[in-house]
Amino acid sequence: KAGVTQTPRYLIKTRGQQVTLSCSPISGHRSVSWYQQTPGQGLQFLFEYFSETQRNKGNFPGRFSGRQFSNSRSEMNVSTLELGDSALYLCASSLDPQGLLYEQYFGPGTRLTVT
Amino acid sequence: AQSVTQLDSHVSVSEGTPVLLRCNYSSSYSPSLFWYVQHPNKGLQLLLKYTSAATLVKGINGFEAEFKKSETSFHLTKPSAHMSDAAEYFCVVTFTGGGNKLTFGTGTQLKVEL
Repeated sequence: KAGVTQTPRYLIKTRGQQVTLSCSPISGHRSVSWYQQTPGQGLQFLFEYFSETQRNKGNFPGRFSGRQFSNSRSEMNVSTLELGDSALYLCASSLDPQGLLYEQYFGPGTRLTVT
Repeated sequence: AQSVTQLDSHVSVSEGTPVLLRCNYSSSYSPSLFWYVQHPNKGLQLLLKYTSAATLVKGINGFEAEFKKSETSFHLTKPSAHMSDAAEYFCVVTFTGGGNKLTFGTGTQLKVEL
């Protein structure tokens, strides 16, 4: 069974640009979550999608947005990039909890560098 | 609100000696607790999880953790360290019904020396 895949793996952008990152969950997983990892702030939850709906959201500005498609693939978008957005962006997928908690499986991440 | 505190940012041990990585949690609800490991340039891998069953949880690669409600702790241990254990370890908390929103600790970098 293929794991969580993220594309691209590395990305360099300029301040003010926007960027779209993609995540393909494990087959059969319907929940996709996104996390930002930086040396200063550590790992922080961005948002979670299930059945094309945002179910949970972290404390990030509106420049960070996401969506999920009918095949459970997800994208996240960051507009008007700032230097502080440089980070490793991790995607995780999980079976729908339905009130229970299932393990999340993480992808390798996309390393975004903003110059 | 929920949070985790990893008491040591760096731990160094000799190969073959025990490992102890400390974690304290805070949660308004019944917590679920996890330990994840991240090797350099790799994604996060789940080591073990506690979800209100047995308080002593066994994970992969010989790691285990004990949930102590009275101490609000969930320390990770391994009897004998191996060079391949060198990595960053994260203690993570969520709560049943909280969906998949994980709250991570700041991480403990484990160094294993010969």
